[in-house]
Amino acid sequence: NAGVTQTPKFQVLKTGQSMTLQCAQDMNHEYMSWYRQDPGMGLRLIHYSVGAGITDQGEVPNGYNVSRSTTEDFPLRLLSAAPSQTSVYFCASRGGPVKAGYTFGSGTRLTVV
Amino acid sequence: KQEVTQIPAALSVPEGENLVLNCSFTDSAIYNLQWFRQDPGKGLTSLLLIQSSQREQTSGRLNASLDKSSGRSTLYIAASQPGDSATYLCAVDNTDKLIFGTGTRLQVFP
Repeated sequence: NAGVTQTPKFQVLKTGQSMTLQCAQDMNHEYMSWYRQDPGMGLRLIHYSVGAGITDQGEVPNGYNVSRSTTEDFPLRLLSAAPSQTSVYFCASRGGPVKAGYTFGSGTRLTVV
Repeated sequence: KQEVTQIPAALSVPEGENLVLNCSFTDSAIYNLQWFRQDPGKGLTSLLLIQSSQREQTSGRLNASLDKSSGRSTLYIAASQPGDSATYLCAVDNTDKLIFGTGTRLQVFP
C-alpha cells in the first residue's frame, strides 16, 4: 500500500516554463488536495477535489490548474512558472466523510529561476 | 476566516521532560483537528486525529486534547526523547479545507 505518491521529488524550472506535478493515491480516496509550504506562511491550500470530475479553488489558486479525470490521480499544472511559485508542494487525500483524517505525500521541491 | 495559531513557535528542552504544545483556532465549527509531525525536508506524518465530538486521543507517549468551545487543542508529549525533535503542526478541518498553524519547532537534546 503506497499511500500518496508525488513525482518528481525535485524540479528546477526557468521562468515562463510549464510543468505538471503528479499525485497519485491507491487508497480509493474521493478527496484530494494540493498545498504549498513556504517559510513563515505555513501550508496553504491551492486546489482541491471531492471526487472525479469535481475541482474547486483553495486559498492560493492563481497560476495553477487542476483536473480530476480519475479517482486515483490529481495533477497540478503550472502554466507559466514564476519565481513566486518556488515552494514545496504537498498532495493530500482523505478517505470517507469529512471526519476522516488526511494522508500526505512526501512533497515536491520546486525552484523557479 | 479560520485562523490557527501555535504557541510556542520554537522549544528546546533536555531529554526526559514532559511537554505541552498549544494550538488555538478562531472558528469552533470544525469537523476535526489533526496533529502532524514534519522532519526537516520531509513530508507530514499524521500523529493524532480528534473528531469534533471527542475530547482527547492518545497514542503511545502522545496525548492530544480538544476543547471546541474555547478553540483550543494541546499536544502533550511525555518523557521527551531526542528522536522527538521535529516541527509539530496542528490543522483544523473546515468543510474540505484543512487550515494549518505555522507549527512548533521542537528540539530535544540529550
